[in-house]
Amino acid sequence: ETTLTQSPAFMSATPGDKVSISCKASQDIDDDLNWYQQKPGEAAIFIIQEATTLVPGISPRFSGSGYGTDFTLTINNIESEDAAYYFCLQHDSFPLTFGGGTKVEIK
Amino acid sequence: QVQLQESGPGLVKPSQTLSLTCTVSRGSISSGAYYWSWIRQPAGKGLEWIGRILTSGNTNYNPSLKSRVTISVDTSKNQFSLKLSSVTAADTAVYHCARGLIRGGHFYGLDVWGRGTTVTVSS
Repeated sequence: ETTLTQSPAFMSATPGDKVSISCKASQDIDDDLNWYQQKPGEAAIFIIQEATTLVPGISPRFSGSGYGTDFTLTINNIESEDAAYYFCLQHDSFPLTFGGGTKVEIK
Repeated sequence: QVQLQESGPGLVKPSQTLSLTCTVSRGSISSGAYYWSWIRQPAGKGLEWIGRILTSGNTNYNPSLKSRVTISVDTSKNQFSLKLSSVTAADTAVYHCARGLIRGGHFYGLDVWGRGTTVTVSS
């Protein structure tokens, strides 16, 4: 089973900041990693597919990078609406596994 | 845009079977381009993938839950379901259903999620 280690677990940002969230895989997963945003009581939203591709309709302030074992979600010029829980998912190997999640607070 | 909605009892007694249904709207569950999954998240903990089903009926389960899980699909109702037997307090969680992508015979990640439903295991 592939373990995804996500960090930090919590971050607080000021509007306009650039923030980065890390997701490290315990083994090589190529680019088989997605990123999601979830707000309380709402369905998770698919924001980055295959590590680097922005899902259509998602703000270009979001970007993804990485390959193999190290991945990063970056939010540029963060806005108050970006306050949410973010998590990564690997679909390279069975079973699918998730990172532990990051709660992003906007000051 | 397709939507998924979970439904089922919010309270289940220990040792009983948890049963949930996911209704797919604004899209067909019969499309061969997708698979259908269940995921859960205990309060304060991370997400755990439970398993998936194809419209052919083929299933894959997380080995950690395999002995207790059954996922089934009812294409006539555009629904798929989860049964988890012999539940304990450790199965208390928010349960989500989600759709996954299949392209060229390769399984990709989940693209559409339901909001989730809270299930508490307690006597």
